[in-house]
Amino acid sequence: QSVLTQPPSVSGAPGQRVTISCTGSSSNIGAGYDVHWYQQLPGTAPKLLIYVNSNRPSGVPDRFSGSKSDTSASLAISGLQAGDEADYYCQSYDSSLSGVIFGGGTKLTVL
Amino acid sequence: EVQLLESGGGLVQPGGSLRLSCAASGFTFNSFVISWVRQPPGKGLEWVSGMSGSGGRTYYADSVKGRFTISRDTSKNTLYLQMRSLRVDDTAVYYCAKDQVPGAVSLVGHAMDVWGQGTTVTVS
Repeated sequence: QSVLTQPPSVSGAPGQRVTISCTGSSSNIGAGYDVHWYQQLPGTAPKLLIYVNSNRPSGVPDRFSGSKSDTSASLAISGLQAGDEADYYCQSYDSSLSGVIFGGGTKLTVL
Repeated sequence: EVQLLESGGGLVQPGGSLRLSCAASGFTFNSFVISWVRQPPGKGLEWVSGMSGSGGRTYYADSVKGRFTISRDTSKNTLYLQMRSLRVDDTAVYYCAKDQVPGAVSLVGHAMDVWGQGTTVTVS
């Protein structure tokens, strides 16, 4: 049971927009800790996709965007492409656990 | 090029020990928190342990506290994870990952911008 809750799966057709939610609590996201997002393609290491809630590292297309509000955060992917099929994870920090926490992951399927 | 390279994984019996290594290159090793993150087969990511850039502070997930020890050799730019009393549920790919932001004196949940390729630990 992950401290951060994500939907197990989302799907969308090519060109469409999907969002992935990440719900936390008052000891993590709600306490003001930043949220980061990772993309993990099959058989590879995670790749940083969004940092500090809404910032994209160099090289990440602007089709990917992040937001944060209260005790939750969201990742939006617009203009879906087949290459976006991957697992997506949110990450933050929890003051009660005194450690880094990840969401359970969301598998994106491009129909 | 900034790189992390894990090694040391393998097959071990329950109750056994293993030491993982994470060799760093291309950045100032002492300036960043580096963590170990694991991923059981078919499951999600779990943060395991981290060490501050200064080496003065170490952090552990409750699931490994008392069994795993993180350490480093600055002369070799290498981070280690000594794993003892291994259990079947420790089976996973173990990644090391560096914080994006330099200079943090403690673990604060920064993004991890560079990850190694992972090393597989099987406890059976």
